[in-house]
Amino acid sequence: DTGVSQDPRHKITKRGQNVTFRCDPISEHNRLYWYRQTLGQGPEFLTYFQNEAQLEKSRLLSDRFSAERPKGSFSTLEIQRTEQGDSAMYLCASSSIRGDRGNEQYFGPGTRLTVT
Amino acid sequence: AQKVTQAQTEISVVEKEDVTLDCVYETRDTTYYLFWYKQPPSGELVFLIRRNSFDEQNEISGRYSWNFQKSTSSFNFTITASQVVDSAVYFCALRAFQGAQKLVFGQGTRLTINP
Repeated sequence: DTGVSQDPRHKITKRGQNVTFRCDPISEHNRLYWYRQTLGQGPEFLTYFQNEAQLEKSRLLSDRFSAERPKGSFSTLEIQRTEQGDSAMYLCASSSIRGDRGNEQYFGPGTRLTVT
Repeated sequence: AQKVTQAQTEISVVEKEDVTLDCVYETRDTTYYLFWYKQPPSGELVFLIRRNSFDEQNEISGRYSWNFQKSTSSFNFTITASQVVDSAVYFCALRAFQGAQKLVFGQGTRLTINP
């Protein structure tokens, strides 16, 4: 299996610009998750999909954030009108609901966003 | 609400020493999952272990071992005969057994193994 991939790996943008990140999960994993990690902290949950349905959203996901998984495969996370506080590592993970309910989440390398 | 506390922010030891990383959690759920992840300098979180709350057997995998004690809400991680390659940030995480799928992470422990 190829692992979870994310693109781009790094993004520098000016405050007020929109950015979009892409995540490709492990093939046949039907659950996909987005987390945000700031320096020195553990990852914080943003949202998750089961197939194309967005089933859970954190209060951290403000109106400027939107995530999609249109065909139940890759996902995009868009941030509109970026703010300096959005600077963080954005992590994507995937898991399978088949088999054991423990279904551990496998993470991608992340997209590091810097808002100047 | 769920919460994970890793009180040790940074640990530094000399190679070949044993080291234990502490993890304490809070949850109202009677069944849940606990995890440990490793984040090396490259940044990618690497899954290490999952433990079900109804299985209190300790587990050993090579130089790694995990001690789960439900009575004290702790899930500690020990590395025996540490090596420089073990240097990383280690995260403990909690997830509900049913319903919400999100992982709740601790703040992490930065482990440095000096040669």
